[in-house]
Amino acid sequence: QSALTQPASVSGSPGQSITISCTGTSSDVGGYNYVSWYQQHPGKAPKLMIYDVSNRPSGVSNRFSGSKSGNTASLTISGLQAEDEADYYCSSYTSSTTWVFGGGTKLNVL
Amino acid sequence: EVQLVESGGGLVKPGGSLRLSCAASGFTFSNAWMSWVRQAPGKGLEWVGRIKSKTGGGTTDYAAPVKGRFTISRDDSKNTLYLQMNSLKTEDTAVYYCATYRSGSFDYWGQGTLVTVSS
Repeated sequence: QSALTQPASVSGSPGQSITISCTGTSSDVGGYNYVSWYQQHPGKAPKLMIYDVSNRPSGVSNRFSGSKSGNTASLTISGLQAEDEADYYCSSYTSSTTWVFGGGTKLNVL
Repeated sequence: EVQLVESGGGLVKPGGSLRLSCAASGFTFSNAWMSWVRQAPGKGLEWVGRIKSKTGGGTTDYAAPVKGRFTISRDDSKNTLYLQMNSLKTEDTAVYYCATYRSGSFDYWGQGTLVTVSS
């Protein structure tokens, strides 16, 4: 199972919005609504930000939103803040009853 | 408060074995589906495997790179998840996280334990 494809890095200024894409296939992202997104700060454990494509867990800011079209899922962060600078990973359930992660995207808040 | 605490990591030679533990608290462990996820130094996340709750069948699934070498088990009486790793390879070097599983995602994570496979 190949890793999902994410851009290596994205950048934005405080207050702006950015979108991170996550491209898979019809056997993972396109086939199931089990896409999730994780935020990871250096040296810390990942934190769930979005599950089931577009749902936010309790306590996650509504500045974070998720969507999916075909084989590509997206995470949008609006009103960028300095604390959003981190690595972001997408994940999807697959037809092999396994899970696959994206390669990760480093978000730089300029 | 959900807490997951991994232990058992360390340095092991190629071909060796290691068993990781994940002590859970703050939720009904016996009802939870659990997963292991690893992260090689400076690299991204990699799903390792998952075990269902006993009421869910108690079955396991594994990623291809570890299938046949790693075994996930659970002791609901001790609220503990295990990862038995055999025939370890240098490419298994990583921080290993345990995580709770909910609706296709991994919602709570431990702090991780480092496994280094080196001669």
